[in-house]
Amino acid sequence: QKEVEQDPGPLSVPEGAIVSLNCTYSNSAFQYFMWYRQYSRKGPELLMYTYSSGNKEDGRFTAQVDKSSKYISLFIRDSQPSDSATYLCAMSGSNYQLIWGAGTKLIIKP
Amino acid sequence: ETGVTQTPRHLVMGMTNKKSLKCEQHLGHNAMYWYKQSAKKPLELMFVYSLEERVENNSVPSRFSPECPNSSHLFLHLHTLQPEDSALYLCASSQALASGQNEQFFGPGTRLTVL
Repeated sequence: QKEVEQDPGPLSVPEGAIVSLNCTYSNSAFQYFMWYRQYSRKGPELLMYTYSSGNKEDGRFTAQVDKSSKYISLFIRDSQPSDSATYLCAMSGSNYQLIWGAGTKLIIKP
Repeated sequence: ETGVTQTPRHLVMGMTNKKSLKCEQHLGHNAMYWYKQSAKKPLELMFVYSLEERVENNSVPSRFSPECPNSSHLFLHLHTLQPEDSALYLCASSQALASGQNEQFFGPGTRLTVL
């Protein structure tokens, strides 16, 4: 079993839709949760960071962590074609090393 | 130049060649990383340096040899690679080696093809 599971997609939705991206994990020691966005021909960049359980909102983006279910989500409201990218979840415990999901490719159709 | 830069952006090499990938960070960070990214697979951490000292070597084959001459530069020397080594190689840096909100900043990567 992989430590972090993430559906690679692609996930294709029409512009303006609400997008839900998810990761599940097996290690209950994880307490730091991140979402990175990677555009084509670019490196990943940090989009959202959450510590422990709860929600965090930043503009059209909401990150949600449910530690009891070992499940994290990223919601994108009013999705735009410019949101088309690969979204990678990453998490860590007390160690500096990030454990990554495989990434979900998101396509927003105009 | 700003952020993290990598050269070359694309590299095609034969199995008997020797080549090097270069990474430079302009952020004043103390930690640098090499990752391998293959299609539909999680990022694989290869090497980690903190203050120019190697602190992680995740069972990487010896045909990959890292070098960190100073805190701003990181190299990955390649020799006698295999076709399965074809991937995107990403360099990243962070302020320090720490857990928590320790954001890693990535370069654009080198797309490596081994023939």
